[in-house]
Amino acid sequence: SAVISQKPSRDICQRGTSLTIQCQVDSQVTMMFWYRQQPGQSLTLIATANQGSEATYESGFVIDKFPISRPNLTFSTLTVSNMSPEDSSIYLCSVGTGESSYNEQFFGPGTRLTVL
Amino acid sequence: RKEVEQDPGPFNVPEGATVAFNCTYSNSASQSFFWYRQDCRKEPKLLMSVYSSGNEDGRFTAQLNRASQYISLLIRDSKLSDSATYLCVVGNEKLTFGTGTRLTIIP
Repeated sequence: SAVISQKPSRDICQRGTSLTIQCQVDSQVTMMFWYRQQPGQSLTLIATANQGSEATYESGFVIDKFPISRPNLTFSTLTVSNMSPEDSSIYLCSVGTGESSYNEQFFGPGTRLTVL
Repeated sequence: RKEVEQDPGPFNVPEGATVAFNCTYSNSASQSFFWYRQDCRKEPKLLMSVYSSGNEDGRFTAQLNRASQYISLLIRDSKLSDSATYLCVVGNEKLTFGTGTRLTIIP
């Protein structure tokens, strides 16, 4: 499976600021995703990062709050904008095998965000 | 009804015992099924895919019952290293994760 890295691994931020999380994969992949895992909860899909076009957001998530870039097939960024304490969470990127959004996925190590 | 439901546990099981988890899903059109393992403060890792014919990987056996819309995971001869949260995952237009079942293996 692909090797996936994320930066930063953790951060503590003040409310009202923004944080950009990077996800790097060691091979070209078609499908990349961003998830959120709030304390004590399971993973929730934020959006699918599409190379060369706008990301596809899930219900409850909007581009203004979570802008995503996907400049090529090995890299993506997620920005958490105008942060509030409710954004404190673990943010994970994942890559899918094949071309379908329901194939198995492999996850990066996550970014643990705390908003004060 | 939740899309994917699991018993959150915790399951506290003595080492060497057999333990089984079940998971139910609501969308009959679901196309893919997986079990993931998540250790504390780590990312989820794929444990195994689940097929209609059932599949086995060492001490782990997964089964899918499409008619009843449930998935099971059986762990035999449990080890201390099996302690983790096990996530049931169902795929359709996206992957939907259950809240996980927490397992602790007791020496």
